Amino acid sequence: AQSVTQLDSHVSVSEGTPVLLRCNYSSSYSPSLFWYVQHPNKGLQLLLKYTSAATLVKGINGFEAEFKKSETSFHLTKPSAHMSDAAEYFCVVSDLRNNNAGNMLTFGGGTRLMVKP
Amino acid sequence: NAGVTQTPKFQVLKTGQSMTLQCAQDMNHEYMSWYRQDPGMGLRLIHYSVGAGITDQGEVPNGYNVSRSTTEDFPLRLLSAAPSQTSVYFCASSYSRPLDGELFFGEGSRLTVL
Repeated sequence: AQSVTQLDSHVSVSEGTPVLLRCNYSSSYSPSLFWYVQHPNKGLQLLLKYTSAATLVKGINGFEAEFKKSETSFHLTKPSAHMSDAAEYFCVVSDLRNNNAGNMLTFGGGTRLMVKP
Repeated sequence: NAGVTQTPKFQVLKTGQSMTLQCAQDMNHEYMSWYRQDPGMGLRLIHYSVGAGITDQGEVPNGYNVSRSTTEDFPLRLLSAAPSQTSVYFCASSYSRPLDGELFFGEGSRLTVL
């Protein structure tokens, strides 16, 4: 079975400083991995995805994530935080060989990012 | 360009009442799904559909029914509401099963059961 652990439920940074949101996963096979962002009172939006191509993935709004198989990690980073980055972020794993083909996505518990002026 | 539309955005029910959350998408997506979001638990799949006339259970289906009579619509029915169903509900769709593709989410329906 697959699982996702987001190591921090809350992260607070100052505007202009780097962002690091940590995600570890467990999967029996080669997974696909995603980061979604949820702004207040909005639905989730895809930020970036890894699907066994380049291990460093670039997403929207300057975010990127690196897939590290040896560490089973997929941490999300951004060099310089902006006030508009304040939101909740979800790490998601998808396993092709999940027997229930319609239920292939497993969501982490979420990390709320706060950006101080 | 509406995308995924959910109604209502807010609802308060009494224990035992029934209601239907509506979801419609205008992107001709085959795959549609319902999730519930609870604090610290991420999103959990309730039911999903891979096309009109086909539905299946997700991780937490108890107390909910769905149907898919058209490609566009995927309503979620609460048969007899319980306080444990207090949550934020999201409808999401994609062109096919969401292995590598992007899920498109509605803005959510916040349900409180008293």
